[in-house]
Amino acid sequence: TQLLEQSPQFLSIQEGENLTVYCNSSSVFSSLQWYRQEPGEGPVLLVTVVTGGEVKKLKRLTFQFGDARKDSSLHITAAQPGDTGLYLCAGAFDTNAGKSTFGDGTTLTVKP
Amino acid sequence: DTGVSQDPRHKITKRGQNVTFRCDPISEHNRLYWYRQTLGQGPEFLTYFQNEAQLEKSRLLSDRFSAERPKGSFSTLEIQRTEQGDSAMYLCASSNYRDIEVTQYFGPGTRLLVL
Repeated sequence: TQLLEQSPQFLSIQEGENLTVYCNSSSVFSSLQWYRQEPGEGPVLLVTVVTGGEVKKLKRLTFQFGDARKDSSLHITAAQPGDTGLYLCAGAFDTNAGKSTFGDGTTLTVKP
Repeated sequence: DTGVSQDPRHKITKRGQNVTFRCDPISEHNRLYWYRQTLGQGPEFLTYFQNEAQLEKSRLLSDRFSAERPKGSFSTLEIQRTEQGDSAMYLCASSNYRDIEVTQYFGPGTRLLVL
């Protein structure tokens, strides 16, 4: 069974602070996605990474994919209350497998 | 592009009743997935289709669950004889198999409560 671990599970910070959340697996990902989910809604795609060592930026969010494609991180600069939500990473371990394995997410609360 | 849609958004039913959910994927996507999510957990894979063929089913998908995608477009997920443990968010996603990234796009989900 391919497992995907996210840390920390919960994170509560003040507006303006920086933060990093992590996603790790013992297996190699063929691709990895980060999603953000709000209560009662489906996950919304933030980014897909495919290449080891890849770095992608989306405004104040920076995503890194590990060189060995077994881990990833999401860094948020100057967090805002609107960043509050559940951040999920999802990995595909085989492009033909047809499914993604999700972590249990990091619940982020940004206080004004 | 209207995105993935799901209907209904919420369903309350009594234990023992049957329920059916519908998912309409992004129109050009040939893969469609069903996931289940309970509070405090990430989505768990249930099954997926490529066009009209159901290619994989999780062991989470008991005999009371059946999914169809008869024309390779929309899909339905039926739960027979619902149990309280079936209460969860049911998520549908779609992707284009030709994309190397295999990125899945999710719908808003159907929240099921079994009383």
